[in-house]
Amino acid sequence: SQKIEQNSEALNIQEGKTATLTCNYTNYSPAYLQWYRQDPGRGPVFLLLIRENEKEKRKERLKVTFDTTLKQSLFHITASQPADSATYLCALAKSAGNKLTFGGGTRVLVKP
Amino acid sequence: GAVVSQHPSWVICKSGTSVKIECRSLDFQATTMFWYRQFPKQSLMLMATSNEGSKATYEQGVEKDKFLINHASLTLSTLTVTSAHPEDSSFYICSAVAGHDPETQYFGPGTRLLVL
Repeated sequence: SQKIEQNSEALNIQEGKTATLTCNYTNYSPAYLQWYRQDPGRGPVFLLLIRENEKEKRKERLKVTFDTTLKQSLFHITASQPADSATYLCALAKSAGNKLTFGGGTRVLVKP
Repeated sequence: GAVVSQHPSWVICKSGTSVKIECRSLDFQATTMFWYRQFPKQSLMLMATSNEGSKATYEQGVEKDKFLINHASLTLSTLTVTSAHPEDSSFYICSAVAGHDPETQYFGPGTRLLVL
């Protein structure tokens, strides 16, 4: 069956450092992968999308890599700030407009 | 742009009653809307896919007669939890896909349902 795994343990990191999150998947051939941020009691907020033929995407302090051979995506938050503290979800889709399958999310806590 | 709203934001009801949750795309037309459910400390689980003017497609294990979905227009989808029970208490979140940007789902703020 399709499986998407994110590190379930919370990531505690010092302000200013780079946070790196992992998303691994099996039995899946996604057309693209997305990363979302979710704060407690709120809906997810879209951050970045990377397609199967793309290796890396950047947006301000965020960077995403996508390795379809390893079936893995890495999500980096550089120069992390306490305001970056949240749960980060990866999600995969087989095609545009298709349903998303979410990973379990990784909670990030940035300490000042 | 691309704002999705949900109403109500939270609701408490008695067991056996029905609850309707609205999902609206405020500044775009949504060709497709999705309904998710999220239990505490868990990820989002897709319940159903809703296309305007057609019947919703439900995920395996989701009872279509219990979770009624109506997508009456390109900006509104509703989820009705019929004969709600305490185990239906959860965080319900909708998302919408715009026709001009089919790769991105825009999520609503969620609706917290507590069934007593």
